[in-house]
Amino acid sequence: KAGVTQTPRYLIKTRGQQVTLSCSPISGHRSVSWYQQTPGQGLQFLFEYFSETQRNKGNFPGRFSGRQFSNSRSEMNVSTLELGDSALYLCASSLDGQLRAKGNTIYFGEGSWLTVV
Amino acid sequence: AQSVTQLDSQVPVFEEAPVELRCNYSSSVSVYLFWYVQYPNQGLQLLLKYLSGSTLVESINGFEAEFNKSQTSFHLRKPSVHISDTAEYFCAVSESSGNTGKLIFGQGTTLQVKP
Repeated sequence: KAGVTQTPRYLIKTRGQQVTLSCSPISGHRSVSWYQQTPGQGLQFLFEYFSETQRNKGNFPGRFSGRQFSNSRSEMNVSTLELGDSALYLCASSLDGQLRAKGNTIYFGEGSWLTVV
Repeated sequence: AQSVTQLDSQVPVFEEAPVELRCNYSSSVSVYLFWYVQYPNQGLQLLLKYLSGSTLVESINGFEAEFNKSQTSFHLRKPSVHISDTAEYFCAVSESSGNTGKLIFGQGTTLQVKP
């Protein structure tokens, strides 16, 4: 079956603009998480959605937001872009986020590369 | 709150040599432990995970990791590496008591396998 799909793969934006990134989870997965990866800060958790509700949130400013639709697809939005927002944004999905179930694994997409100039 | 420390940012090793990538964690609650691998320009792939039970877990491609609760470590080992193992490896933890898929990652270790 298809993996986690993220679009677009690459994009360049100008400071002050906004951007929307999309993520389609694996079919049947209801939990979607977003991570930011940068050389300096590494992988940082942004937020997690489950059944259209935000279940967890990382320590990012309010410019970073997300949502999940009824089909489990998710989008994240960054408004008023700053140079420091340049990063690889990774989406991950799992059945329901309950990692205690041995068969429940978090799968990652290939990411969206955002460059802010 | 949890934190993860990967003690080596880069590990160079010759092909067919053994390797150990070190990972220590800090947490006030019980955690699950993971190792993910990232090849260039790709996302993360799960290598192995520890949820409970046997403290030694193995992956299908020869890697293994041992959970040591007293030393709060989860080091990754492979007895003989291949060129194709060259990648970045991330150790991660997740709170085991909560209903969450949130992962806290270490800074990563770049494994460079030389011929």
